[in-house]
Amino acid sequence: GQNIDQPTEMTATEGAIVQINCTYQTSGFNGLFWYQQHAGEAPTFLSYNVLDGLEEKGRFSSFLSRSKGYSYLLLKELQMKDSASYLCAVRPVSGGYQKVTFGIGTKLQVIP
Amino acid sequence: GAVVSQHPSWVICKSGTSVKIECRSLDFQATTMFWYRQFPKQSLMLMATSNEGSKATYEQGVEKDKFLINHASLTLSTLTVTSAHPEDSSFYICSARDLGGRGNIQYFGAGTRLSVL
Repeated sequence: GQNIDQPTEMTATEGAIVQINCTYQTSGFNGLFWYQQHAGEAPTFLSYNVLDGLEEKGRFSSFLSRSKGYSYLLLKELQMKDSASYLCAVRPVSGGYQKVTFGIGTKLQVIP
Repeated sequence: GAVVSQHPSWVICKSGTSVKIECRSLDFQATTMFWYRQFPKQSLMLMATSNEGSKATYEQGVEKDKFLINHASLTLSTLTVTSAHPEDSSFYICSARDLGGRGNIQYFGAGTRLSVL
């Protein structure tokens, strides 16, 4: 089966840096995704990791360690608009190449 | 990123009626689309995988006769909630996989909020 764990809630201060962790246990691995979802809206794609290491994209970075089944999303220079849920999603190899399993999401609140 | 259009964004209907939701990939072809539903403060739940030109693959516990999926072209999939009841009220989100880019990323439509009275 697939299991994805991430904290349910986090709070951080505007201008600061926050790291959102995600651990996973899946039957096979073929990529990890991070999505941002504002309340009442659909998820928007943030990042994709398939090899170990750090992927940087502006204020957002995502890290992956396949041996540890671990990823994190790093948000720098936090802005109020970054208040949202951040979903970690994993695509396993088995059970269909296309299927992606989503974590429950980490609700981030950015405070002044 | 790729654009996925979902329509309508909000539906209010009477119990017993059917509701049709459309999902279109605007700038890429999508042989595979996905339909999710999401209850408040819960994660996305995959309902079915929509395959162009063939039958959809439904997840365990999802009634295929209740949630009809049609994927007639490479850019359009539809979900019809038949004989809707109040317990079907939810946020329905479609997603399409872009095979043209790195990672075969799934892009999401804006979602449809269904309220059944």
